[in-house]
Amino acid sequence: DTAVSQTPKYLVTQMGNDKSIKCEQNLGHDTMYWYKQDSKKFLKIMFSYNNKELIINETVPNRFSPKSPDKAHLNLHINSLELGDSAVYFCASSQGAGLSPLHFGNGTRLTVT
Amino acid sequence: DQQVKQNSPSLSVQEGRISILNCDYTNSMFDYFLWYKKYPAEGPTFLISISSIKDKNEDGRFTVFLNKSAKHLSLHIVPSQPGDSAVYFCAARGSNDYKLSFGAGTTVTVRA
Repeated sequence: DTAVSQTPKYLVTQMGNDKSIKCEQNLGHDTMYWYKQDSKKFLKIMFSYNNKELIINETVPNRFSPKSPDKAHLNLHINSLELGDSAVYFCASSQGAGLSPLHFGNGTRLTVT
Repeated sequence: DQQVKQNSPSLSVQEGRISILNCDYTNSMFDYFLWYKKYPAEGPTFLISISSIKDKNEDGRFTVFLNKSAKHLSLHIVPSQPGDSAVYFCAARGSNDYKLSFGAGTTVTVRA
């Protein structure tokens, strides 16, 4: 009964490939997020969806495209992968803003060779 | 531009003693502050939060203090236990914001 689950946990691929990471939450939350943790360990927000609508779109290359088929799912598709895309990608969800905490998945470690 | 700063990358403390983690922020619009704990190969887990109308919030061994005029908050863990060894992230957001901005994290090691 994992609250926020993302697949795959590890992803190793070559430059130029296209890959997707899937995320699902069973908490009934209305907001989902993608965060990137780079080699310096900073957690940086990439995107957020609220009830399937995009509400946060940080400065991210347009090779990254989020898709939310319903409010329980938020997928991340990455085109033409580059070496610099190697990072850990975390999915999260919350019920609203303010003090509502984000609940994170266990991350997807993407390695681009 | 890091709006949330944790200037101590690491902290080592003896079991049973107090751990004090510090966090500073630059955005005066931040109203909500959250602390997260992260073990290796896992996602961050929520620990404790505080809103700007309070200066202290306590939950068991964890207490967060907020000094809004100094734009500074701290997390106290008393007593520290071996299971507290983890990376701790400070995070903040504005009152109507969904975006949660994180600090760089502080790695805490509790020595037996």
